[in-house]
Amino acid sequence: SAVISQKPSRDICQRGTSLTIQCQVDSQVTMMFWYRQQPGQSLTLIATANQGSEATYESGFVIDKFPISRPNLTFSTLTVSNMSPEDSSIYLCSVESETQYFGPGTRLLVL
Amino acid sequence: GQQLNQSPQSMFIQEGEDVSMNCTSSSIFNTWLWYKQDPGEGPVLLIALYKAGELTSNGRLTAQFGITRKDSFLNISASIPSDVGIYFCAGQMNSGTYKYIFGTGTRLKVLA
Repeated sequence: SAVISQKPSRDICQRGTSLTIQCQVDSQVTMMFWYRQQPGQSLTLIATANQGSEATYESGFVIDKFPISRPNLTFSTLTVSNMSPEDSSIYLCSVESETQYFGPGTRLLVL
Repeated sequence: GQQLNQSPQSMFIQEGEDVSMNCTSSSIFNTWLWYKQDPGEGPVLLIALYKAGELTSNGRLTAQFGITRKDSFLNISASIPSDVGIYFCAGQMNSGTYKYIFGTGTRLKVLA
């Protein structure tokens, strides 16, 4: 298994601003992912964070809105840019370590 | 994005009752995972299934990988109040990508 931490755990932001979410894993992992969970909904994959190269985004998500960094095998960041109230969600980091494990999530409210 | 059909959407049960939920798809999957999400938390992995027909238990939880590879089932026996939460299935179509599609969730409420 893998132990995953995320910062911040929650935040309230003004529209038009950006927030960077950090994800730290207690062991080196090849695959890291970012998901969004809108209120009362299931999980939707935003992108795969690739170490040393650009992230791979899913349909409907673009790098300008959700830039991702993956500087090493234990850390990644997701930035939610130019936020609007529609970006209010839980953002979850996950890793593949024999199977898929999730972090505790970052609860974002955009006013 | 694509999602798996999960049913029931929600259920109220009495403490001590058994619970069954399922996840279905028109596509074939190589792996099925079952997660539980408590309020304010991230999903926690309950059971992982890797072969068609596989039946795996974790305490009071039992999950099965459907023989057609298009569905999976989760059963909870003798439910207790802490079983309250949202249960998600997740399926992986292509083993090499490590990408999962998530079910719509089953919200479970246990009445003491």
